[in-house]
Amino acid sequence: QLQLQESGPGLVKPSETLSLTCTVSGGSIRSSGYYWGWIRQPPGKGLEWIGTINYSGNTYYNPSLRSRVTISVDTSQNQFSLKLRSVTAADTSVYYCVREQASSPDYWGQGILVTVSS
Amino acid sequence: QSALTQPRSVSGSPGQSVTISCTGTSSDVGGYNYVSWYQQHPGKTPKRMIYAVSERPSGVPDRFSGSKSGNTASLTISGLQAEDEADYYCCSHAHTYVIFGGGTKLTVL
Repeated sequence: QLQLQESGPGLVKPSETLSLTCTVSGGSIRSSGYYWGWIRQPPGKGLEWIGTINYSGNTYYNPSLRSRVTISVDTSQNQFSLKLRSVTAADTSVYYCVREQASSPDYWGQGILVTVSS
Repeated sequence: QSALTQPRSVSGSPGQSVTISCTGTSSDVGGYNYVSWYQQHPGKTPKRMIYAVSERPSGVPDRFSGSKSGNTASLTISGLQAEDEADYYCCSHAHTYVIFGGGTKLTVL
């Protein structure tokens, strides 16, 4: 059974960079036809798609976040990562890593709450 | 880009049917047959209920069905049960990115 697990700091200071990693187990990140992405959800609010990457490193980003986001993949570790620069309190959210097929996230990590605060 | 438009809340009694709409544009919902629906209970991870407009993943009850007409997609839940009470989100491909709806809270009366 495919499993995804987010890891990273739960607290980030304003103006700094949020960095998260997703470790994939039970399957290979090299599987063709899939993308690996990040989705976030501010407390009490809706879902927001951040971006996605495939094993070859092809990326797509939410236009509203593109200037601050980088998603990368490490196939040797079966991991992919998110960096979000210049964070503010508005970036406080639960961050989910997901597997996507045809723009439809099917497997989700359990989510990690990241709070932006000094 | 703005979120897809969903009603903030819907409600129904056990056994009834409810439909949740998801309105976008020809650049997202109307342009692709890549609409998904997710169910999220409080404090839980979203669960995919429908993909590719009307396909049900294995294990999802056939009480859940999806459709699309023009720029509006719909999720219909028939034979409402208490455990269906949750937030529901639609999701669509939009050329080079993915866009979610704002979410609909379903209350089972």
